[in-house]
Amino acid sequence: GAVVSQHPSWVICKSGTSVKIECRSLDFQATTMFWYRQFPKQSLMLMATSNEGSKATYEQGVEKDKFLINHASLTLSTLTVTSAHPEDSSFYICSGIGFRRETQYFGPGTRLLVL
Amino acid sequence: GNSVTQMEGPVTLSEEAFLTINCTYTATGYPSLFWYVQYPGEGLQLLLKATKADDKGSNKGFEATYRKETTSFHLEKGSVQVSDSAVYFCALTPLPSMEYGNKLVFGAGTILRVKS
Repeated sequence: GAVVSQHPSWVICKSGTSVKIECRSLDFQATTMFWYRQFPKQSLMLMATSNEGSKATYEQGVEKDKFLINHASLTLSTLTVTSAHPEDSSFYICSGIGFRRETQYFGPGTRLLVL
Repeated sequence: GNSVTQMEGPVTLSEEAFLTINCTYTATGYPSLFWYVQYPGEGLQLLLKATKADDKGSNKGFEATYRKETTSFHLEKGSVQVSDSAVYFCALTPLPSMEYGNKLVFGAGTILRVKS
């Protein structure tokens, strides 16, 4: 299957700082990338959908000014958590889908802890 | 609307036992159906999928059949191993997929624990 990487795999930051998470499709071109958030022992919650070169579409209840998403190329999307607070601590997972649009391939996730 | 309902876990089995994890769905149109597996501390991996009624997806000894009449996609494995311990997510993509942006709708996940 196709490979998606995320960096960093985990990050600890102080409250009020911003954190950037990268999502890369390594062996396919991801026309669309998705960002999810997962709380312990819960399912994935879709945060936003981004198409290459376009503004991201955010799900209801997700603050677009807090979670900045950039999808500048067909192999890279970034999620920036601005002015992070402890309640933003979570497991963030990205996924990508290619031109054939058949299957989403998921990254390994990034664990964020805000102190 | 579109939704996925999975059996609650955790499911605890002994090695070599038979596994069934129930999944039913509600969807507009004719969705594609998926099972994803998440091992501890990792992201999701596609386990298997089926795109139309009566299709059977299979991988690594796991199987699931797309049952349109019962709107179900139950996951089965004849003999589980300790290494199968993970969280299993049933999901669907509503069709037409382009209209829904290829979004995945996930069930809540079922924890499977296999004891040796």
